[in-house]
Order: sequence, then structure tokens, then C-alpha cells
Amino acid sequence: VQLVESGGGLVQPGKSLKLSCSASGFTFSSYGMHWIRQAPGKGLDWVAYISSSSGTVYADAVKGRFTISRDNAKNTLYLQLNSLKSEDTAIYYCAGTSFDYWGQGVMVTVSS
Amino acid sequence: DIQMTQSPSSMSASLGDRVTITCQASQDIGNNLIWFQQKPGKSPRPMIYYATNLANGVPSRFSGSRSGSDYSLTISSLESEDMADYHCLQYKQYPLTFGSGTKLEIK
Repeated sequence: VQLVESGGGLVQPGKSLKLSCSASGFTFSSYGMHWIRQAPGKGLDWVAYISSSSGTVYADAVKGRFTISRDNAKNTLYLQLNSLKSEDTAIYYCAGTSFDYWGQGVMVTVSS
Repeated sequence: DIQMTQSPSSMSASLGDRVTITCQASQDIGNNLIWFQQKPGKSPRPMIYYATNLANGVPSRFSGSRSGSDYSLTISSLESEDMADYHCLQYKQYPLTFGSGTKLEIK
């Protein structure tokens, strides 16, 4: 099993970014997936979940700004980040439904 | 939302010590709790599932227990490789919530 995130970077407040998580080694379409983030020097913060049937749940802090989605044909999980704020600065991890597998994380920095 | 109160926030212990980290849940979560270990610059690694079940490949010196709304991760005899941050996660109810983390240092 391998999860590889990409798409991070430096972005100005109010702008958008789209993260990807490429999955391999398992039947991606059969499993729900999570996004979790970790601000520099801080604890872990659950962000969003998408089920195998594409039902979604979000943390209140990102609801209405972030969108989790998946493309089963591409074995890829996404997180669209809109209206970014400085407090969204963090390492973003994708993880499997049971938190047994995690990606290496991708850094998102929101700063002017 | 379910609050997970984790303590201590940091601690220092000697090799061979018995170490216990605790998370207290603000509501009933049953045994729906995972303990993670996170080393610097690395992704979290699950150590204990369902409050008391050791994850695959985790040394037997790690154990998890529950007393009411208090959940504990215990290392029976601390080794140098156990230096890390530890986090608890409740997955009983959305939004999922983590404890604030414990930084474990070796004296």
C-alpha cells in the first residue's frame, strides 16, 4: 500500500489550491479515505472523509471552503482548498479509512 | 463535538521506565479509539486500535487500556526508539477528534 500526496505549496490568503493523493497497492474504490492536517509544531487535526460511495463529512473549520473528492478510475483522492486562511497552514496527510496507512504529507503555506 | 483531553502534554522518562499517557473523552466513545506514534518528520503510525488491540508489528511493551472515559497508552519498559509524539483519536462520532498530543522525551 502506498499513498503519495502532491499539490502543496505557498499560496496567498483567499486563494485556492488542490491537493492530490495517489493510491496504490489496494482496491482504492472499495475504501473510504481521510484528510488530516498538522499545523507546524501542533497536534493532528481531522479535516474530511469521503466514503467509497462518495459520501462526505467535514470538520467545521473547513466546511464550505474545502471539498474532498475522489476519482476511482485514477486511484486518486483530492482536497480542493478554497478561501485559504493563514490558519490553514499545515502539513496535509491522506490516510485510509482505518488510519492504517498514511501518505508522507504535503505542506501548504498560506501567506502573503 | 467530542473533546479528547490528553495528558501530559510532555514528559521525560528514563530508559526502562514504565510510561503512561492518558486521553479522557468528553462523551461516550466506547472503545472507538486509536493511539498513534509520530516521530519527527514522519507520518503517524497506529499503535493501538479499538482502545486495547495492538497493531501489527508493534512491540509488546506497548499496551492500551480503558477505565470508563479514560483511555491509557502504556509503555512497560521505555526504550530509546520510543521517543516520539503520541496522539489519541476518537472515531466514534464525526467530527473525528484527536487529543492534543504528548511529547515523550528520554532523560
